Amino acid sequence: DVKVTQSSRYLVKRTGEKVFLECVQDMDHENMFWYRQDPGLGLRLIYFSYDVKMKEKGDIPEGYSVSREKKERFSLILESASTNQTSMYLCASSLPGVTDTQYFGPGTRLTVL
Amino acid sequence: GENVEQHPSTLSVQEGDSAVIKCTYSDSASNYFPWYKQELGKRPQLIIDIRSNVGEKKDQRIAVTLNKTAKHFSLHITETQPEDSAVYFCAASKGTYKYIFGTGTRLKVLA
Repeated sequence: DVKVTQSSRYLVKRTGEKVFLECVQDMDHENMFWYRQDPGLGLRLIYFSYDVKMKEKGDIPEGYSVSREKKERFSLILESASTNQTSMYLCASSLPGVTDTQYFGPGTRLTVL
Repeated sequence: GENVEQHPSTLSVQEGDSAVIKCTYSDSASNYFPWYKQELGKRPQLIIDIRSNVGEKKDQRIAVTLNKTAKHFSLHITETQPEDSAVYFCAASKGTYKYIFGTGTRLKVLA
């Protein structure tokens, strides 16, 4: 079974704080993704990585950065959290092809006060 | 930019009836179309997919159809059951690695 885990299920932070969300997968997948899920907007891609130390911007990268130092771990960083970043964050991983299934983590519900 | 439109946003059906969810994509280069199901409080999971060289694919009670000319694809669920209640997302491939997801359809199956 593919396992994708995220460091927290729920997180509450203050405006201006630096926030780290971590994702770990145990299937040796090359691709890893960070999405944000908001009601009525579906799943929107923030950043993805196709290899260690490689990253590409998704559709909504503003206000976020990422780090992939090891193949199994992909971190999402909010440099200075703002209230409009309150959302559900989902990590996913897959083998390298676009037709390879993306496996999702359980999600982190982040609230920024 | 490229997008995927999904309709309806909510759908209620009686148990045993069929449900149809429709998506339209804009990028003519898209060649892979997965459907994900997200039950309440759980992670999205792939339920069926279709590639651009195929017009229809079935897996038990679910099927997906693709019309490349019109750039739309649909999910069909027959003989719906309460456990089919969930949010369903369509997606279209973009480039080598990525998907663009639709905005989701909340399906309620009424007993």
